[in-house]
Amino acid sequence: QVQLQESGPGLVRPSETLSLTCTVSGGSISSYFWTWIRQSPGEGLEWIGYIYYSGSTNYNPSLKSRVTISVDTSKNQFSLKLGSVTAADTAVYYCARTESSDDAFDIWGQGTLVTVSS
Amino acid sequence: SYVLTQPPSVSVAPGQTARITCGGNNVGSKSVHWYQQKPGQAPVLVVYDDSDRPSGIPERFSGSTSGNTATLTISRVEAGDEADYYCQVWNSRSDHVVFGGGTKLTVL
Repeated sequence: QVQLQESGPGLVRPSETLSLTCTVSGGSISSYFWTWIRQSPGEGLEWIGYIYYSGSTNYNPSLKSRVTISVDTSKNQFSLKLGSVTAADTAVYYCARTESSDDAFDIWGQGTLVTVSS
Repeated sequence: SYVLTQPPSVSVAPGQTARITCGGNNVGSKSVHWYQQKPGQAPVLVVYDDSDRPSGIPERFSGSTSGNTATLTISRVEAGDEADYYCQVWNSRSDHVVFGGGTKLTVL
């Protein structure tokens, strides 16, 4: 079955760029929407944005100026870059899959904690 | 922007029925999805498209929508159902995903 796995640094300095990768295993990255969602400690879920396998993207307007999501179909991976981070960006970051923009997120990664601190 | 409102907490005794609401402007016209999240774990989809259940989710979990409210109903609640529950929709007007604030279900 399809599985997602996030990877990347667990500690990022303030003002730097947070970079994470989600590897898709057990299936193809084609024909789906691939999403990043985060959860600050003790808080709810926040949608960051998605990328379609073809490369089209859509971002949360509150983060749009700092976010880039990209896809590498040859590696079955998609990535998140969040620039100019502050302590408010400390969160567990999840990658997830959906079949279309209004469908449910049926598969999630386990999540990875990223702490922003000097 | 579109807002989904959930009660912060719901408490229920084992064996009883828990109802978790999700309020939003004309939410009944949208596809509502529900997720269960236990401490330290990723969310799990329990209901999609208002009332459908993914494979492996017990029939005790059901969903409904009407007007401005969507409801997740958990029948014959068990201790293992204790978790946070989130509703989610796609706001077609803004082309963005929206999550509710989450509801903590406590099994007494």
